[in-house]
Amino acid sequence: NAGVTQTPKFRVLKTGQSMTLLCAQDMNHEYMYWYRQDPGMGLRLIHYSVGEGTTAKGEVPDGYNVSRLKKQNFLLGLESAAPSQTSVYFCASSTQGGWGPQHFGDGTRLSIL
Amino acid sequence: GENVEQHPSTLSVQEGDSAVIKCTYSDSASNYFPWYKQELGKRPQLIIDIRSNVGEKKDQRIAVTLNKTAKHFSLHITETQPEDSAVYFCALYGGATNKLIFGTGTLLAVQP
Repeated sequence: NAGVTQTPKFRVLKTGQSMTLLCAQDMNHEYMYWYRQDPGMGLRLIHYSVGEGTTAKGEVPDGYNVSRLKKQNFLLGLESAAPSQTSVYFCASSTQGGWGPQHFGDGTRLSIL
Repeated sequence: GENVEQHPSTLSVQEGDSAVIKCTYSDSASNYFPWYKQELGKRPQLIIDIRSNVGEKKDQRIAVTLNKTAKHFSLHITETQPEDSAVYFCALYGGATNKLIFGTGTLLAVQP
């Protein structure tokens, strides 16, 4: 049982490039989330999904897009990367939405030059 | 929107001492309050949580207290050990927001 798996673990991009971060969970969870973590700012929600085929905006959605075509996968896209998007990105999933434990992946460290 | 303030941002204690981290919030409709621990370079993990119908919850050396009237909740760690060194995040859910809102974190250092 792998839990929540994020791919890749590290990535360096140039400004203006695009990329997709993949999150996969094998716990049959309905809810999935993408957060970014910056020093001194905690975890900020980018986008989330309450089930297959649904997505919604979080606190800091600008510059990101997401898709949840399959229940087990939640993709985060950066269309045109900017240095301000340098961060550690965490994916999480849960069975109870905000009411219960969120299970996090190991994170993706993304640097935009 | 809802906001949660967490203090202190850093905390250094001697091994064996107690540590207390406090979070305050504004939306009285918030009703779920988890705490996450994140070791250096690792993922955040839930360590304890409390719901609004309970004033205190304990799990071995950790406890969480909730004061709904004053709108604050606290994490208490007793008999601290070096492996307790980590960043701790409070969070809350409920009320006007449909999302889990995290505090900015407290870096706890337990000195041996």
